[in-house]
Amino acid sequence: DAGVTQSPTHLIKTRGQQVTLRCSPKSGHDTVSWYQQALGQGPQFIFQYYEEEERQRGNFPDRFSGHQFPNYSSELNVNALLLGDSALYLCASNFLRASTDTQYFGPGTRLTVL
Amino acid sequence: AQSVTQLDSQVPVFEEAPVELRCNYSSSVSVYLFWYVQYPNQGLQLLLKYLSGSTLVKGINGFEAEFNKSQTSFHLRKPSVHISDTAEYFCAVRRTPGAGSYQLTFGKGTKLSVIP
Repeated sequence: DAGVTQSPTHLIKTRGQQVTLRCSPKSGHDTVSWYQQALGQGPQFIFQYYEEEERQRGNFPDRFSGHQFPNYSSELNVNALLLGDSALYLCASNFLRASTDTQYFGPGTRLTVL
Repeated sequence: AQSVTQLDSQVPVFEEAPVELRCNYSSSVSVYLFWYVQYPNQGLQLLLKYLSGSTLVKGINGFEAEFNKSQTSFHLRKPSVHISDTAEYFCAVRRTPGAGSYQLTFGKGTKLSVIP
């Protein structure tokens, strides 16, 4: 049973560039959430996708956008990168109708903005 | 809104000694509670969760946690730690179904260092 997978593992970009991160949910899951974990901090919720729509959003600017595909995989896009966007980006998946279901996390993508 | 406070940023402990990692939360609605572990350069792995029922919850790797509603706490314990327990531990809360958002709110983490 494949868990949550993310690509790429590491990424280096410069300020002002755009980046796309990818996530495949755990088998059987239909909901994907994205979190940003800055160095020395706990993960912060960015947004959640279900049925190809953004359902909830945390306190992040519009530079952060996403997409969910019919196969439930998801992308996180960040435009106009800032130095402060350097972080570990975590994807988590769950099955929404199982109201007690747990979010399972992928290994993350480490983004460095120079 | 919910918030989580992990009272210790770092906890050093000798191998085979007991450990307690403290977590307090604040919420105006009922919540589910979670502990996740993060090993260096890895994602988060679920240790245990409290949804309802017995306030003592057992998880993987010999960890357990006790939910205390009156003190709004969910402290994590292990009676005897091993070197391999060295990692960062995160406490998190989520609203219960019907109370809205399913997002997890995390604490800042506690780094557990097990000393040989």
